[in-house]
This record gives sequence, C-alpha cells and structure tokens, in this order.
Amino acid sequence: DVKVTQSSRYLVKRTGEKVFLECVQDMDHENMFWYRQDPGLGLRLIYFSYDVKMKEKGDIPEGYSVSREKKERFSLILESASTNQTSMYLCASRSFVGTDTQYFGPGTRLTVL
Amino acid sequence: AQKITQTQPGMFVQEKEAVTLDCTYDTSDPSYGLFWYKQPSSGEMIFLIYQGSYDQQNATEGRYSLNFQKARKSANLVISASQLGDSAMYFCAMREVSSGSRLTFGEGTQLTVNP
Repeated sequence: DVKVTQSSRYLVKRTGEKVFLECVQDMDHENMFWYRQDPGLGLRLIYFSYDVKMKEKGDIPEGYSVSREKKERFSLILESASTNQTSMYLCASRSFVGTDTQYFGPGTRLTVL
Repeated sequence: AQKITQTQPGMFVQEKEAVTLDCTYDTSDPSYGLFWYKQPSSGEMIFLIYQGSYDQQNATEGRYSLNFQKARKSANLVISASQLGDSAMYFCAMREVSSGSRLTFGEGTQLTVNP
C-alpha cells in the first residue's frame, strides 16, 4: 500500500514564525505536491515537484517555498507565517503506474495566531 | 470557467440505499483522467476510483462505480448499499494531459448517511 505521511496532524504557530511542514512517501514516486484546503475554496495547489531538486509553482505559491533534497521527502516552508495561512495542508505523491493517481497524506491543520 | 463542477453541496441517503453524486467537467483535451476522492472528518483524502477518457467501460471498485457520459462531460459517482461510514466529503477531480501532473478539484459534496 502507498504510504504518505506528514510530520504533524495539528500545529499551532505564531505570526512571523518560520514553519516547516514535512511530507514523506515510501513508494519511490517522482512527483510530489502540496495543497491547501479552505472552506468554500476547495483544494488549491501551492507547489509541486517533478523530481529531486525540481520544483514548480502552483496556483498560490506566494508566502511559501519548498524543498526536495531527497526523492521521498517534500517540505513546505512558510518563511514568515501569517494568520491568512491558517488552513489544512495536504501533501500528495503521484504514481506513474496504472491509473496515474495522486495519493494523499493525512493532512496538517495549521493555526497561525 | 469552472473545470470541475459539483452542484450538490450536501446530499442525504438512507443506509443501504444507493446514491449518486454529480460531477461535470470542462476540457478540450482529448486525453484526460477523472478521479473521485473521499475525505472523512479526519481530513485525509482517500482515492476511490479512476476513469480514463479513452476507457470504453465505466470504472467500478467494489461498491463504487463511475457513470461516465463522455458526450455530456459528466462523471457521476454511484455508491451502492450506503453504509454509515460513507458519510464524508466527496471530491471529483480531473487531470488533463495539457496540465501535466496537476489535478483540478471540484468543491465537493458532503454526503450524510442516515441510519
């Protein structure tokens, strides 16, 4: 079974803090993704990575950066957290085999005070 | 224009009955894939079923089936014999070849299964 894990289920940070959200997958997938999910706005793509050390901006990259130093790990960084970044963050990885499906982690509910 | 439209913000069904969740999509790509995900209150997105644009038959996975009507650009999810554990948010998503590996999601339908 595909396993995508995220470092925290719940996180509370203060405005201005630097925040790291970690995502690890165990299926040797090349592609990895970070989304945020907000009520009424659905899932929106922040950044994705085609492979190690490669990254592409998604639809809402402002205020975020990413790092992919190893194939299995994709980190989302909030350089200076703000209250409007309070959200649910979902990581996914994609298989090229079979149905080309994205598999998601359990999500991190981030609150910025 | 919305690429994925889910017109039912909320749906209710009695346990053991079947329910259809609607999804329409908009694309000019000849090759695309359609996905359904389930998101329980715990938050994780669980992959349910996939339909490719060139697939001749409707996809099925256990109690889930996808009613794919290409000409109408619809990809409705049918859940047979609903169970209490089916209560969740359901998202339809599409991947177009022109968008690479990106998925576009609909806004979701909240399904409640009543005992």
